Amino acid sequence: KAGVTQTPRYLIKTRGQQVTLSCSPISGHRSVSWYQQTPGQGLQFLFEYFSETQRNKGNFPGRFSGRQFSNSRSEMNVSTLELGDSALYLCASSFSRASGATDTQYFGPGTRLTVL
Amino acid sequence: KNQVEQSPQSLIILEGKNCTLQCNYTVSPFSNLRWYKQDTGRGPVSLTIMTFSENTKSNGRYTATLDADTKQSSLHITASQLSDSASYICVVSARDDYKLSFGAGTTVTVRA
Repeated sequence: KAGVTQTPRYLIKTRGQQVTLSCSPISGHRSVSWYQQTPGQGLQFLFEYFSETQRNKGNFPGRFSGRQFSNSRSEMNVSTLELGDSALYLCASSFSRASGATDTQYFGPGTRLTVL
Repeated sequence: KNQVEQSPQSLIILEGKNCTLQCNYTVSPFSNLRWYKQDTGRGPVSLTIMTFSENTKSNGRYTATLDADTKQSSLHITASQLSDSASYICVVSARDDYKLSFGAGTTVTVRA
């Protein structure tokens, strides 16, 4: 079974631009969660999608948005990029709702976003 | 406020030795607690998931314990190997809103 894939792996943008990151979950998984990881803040939860619906949301500004398609693939969009958005963005998938269930969450390798 | 505190922040151990990482949480009502291992430059990998009724769970040389009464968990690494060098993250899920609370992680360095 192929693992969670994320594209692109690396991205460089400038302030004010917008970016879209993509995540393909493991086949059969319906839950996709997004996380931001920085050296200073550690892992922070962005949002979780289950069956195309956002089920949970972290404490991030509205510039961060996402969606999930009928094939469970998910995209995350960040508009009006700021320097502080530079981070590793991780996607994770699981069969059930990740946050409440005890299903294992499988993480992708992440997208390293650098904002100049 | 739901919080997860991990200690120590980092530790260095010699290959073959054991070590124990701590996780204290204030998340309530509790749903489950997970330990992840994250190698540098890679996504986290799940080691164990424990619910309220479980107090010990093992995954190879990794053994996690949970005391739901004191809201403490530990991750014990036995006979450490160089490949155990990584960050170990404790994550706790609340039962009411299903939100995840993350610890800052413990960085383990195993030296030959």
